[in-house]
Amino acid sequence: QLQLQESGPGLVKPSETLSLTCTVSGGSISSSSYYWGWIRQPPGKGLEWIGSIYYSGSTYYNPSLKSRVTISVDTSKNQFSLKLSSVTAADTAVYYCARQTEYYDNAFDIWGQGTMVTVSS
Amino acid sequence: SYELTQPPSVSVSPGQTARITCSGDALPKQYAYWYQQKPGQAPVLVIYKDSERPSGIPERFSGSSSGTTVTLTISGVQAEDEADYYCQSADSSGTSFYVFGTGTKVTVL
Repeated sequence: QLQLQESGPGLVKPSETLSLTCTVSGGSISSSSYYWGWIRQPPGKGLEWIGSIYYSGSTYYNPSLKSRVTISVDTSKNQFSLKLSSVTAADTAVYYCARQTEYYDNAFDIWGQGTMVTVSS
Repeated sequence: SYELTQPPSVSVSPGQTARITCSGDALPKQYAYWYQQKPGQAPVLVIYKDSERPSGIPERFSGSSSGTTVTLTISGVQAEDEADYYCQSADSSGTSFYVFGTGTKVTVL
């Protein structure tokens, strides 16, 4: 059974860079049938798509975050990562990684449990 | 920026039918997806391509589309269906920009 697990610091200082990694287990990140995405959810609020990546490295980002976001993939480690620069308190959220499958028309069908990231000095 | 609008809340008695709408200008051109999220948990996909149900999702969950509005219907609501529900789609500009709806809290009375 495919599982995703987010990891990274739970506390980041304002103006610094948030870095998270999603480890994929129980399957290969290199399958041509999947994209891999990041979604976040501020406390008590709704979901926001951050961006997605293909195993080849092709990426697409939310235009509202594009200038601060970098998503990369490491197929040798079966991981993909998120970097969000110049963070502010507005970036405080639960960050989820998720799989997109062409079988479900690129819907997010498998999600990690999420990791809370707080931006504070 | 593109937005998907949902009612903030829907209340329904057990055994009755809950209908949750999602409105967006690009919905006639883009498929919609629905997710269920219970407190402290990650979202779960319940509907894809407007009306298709992933494996393992109960038949009481169904979806439909009409013009700029898509609807998630939960028939014979059970207490375990109490959750937040989010629609999701893409904008129609061809930039592969995904957006989630504002979310609807379903309360089972």
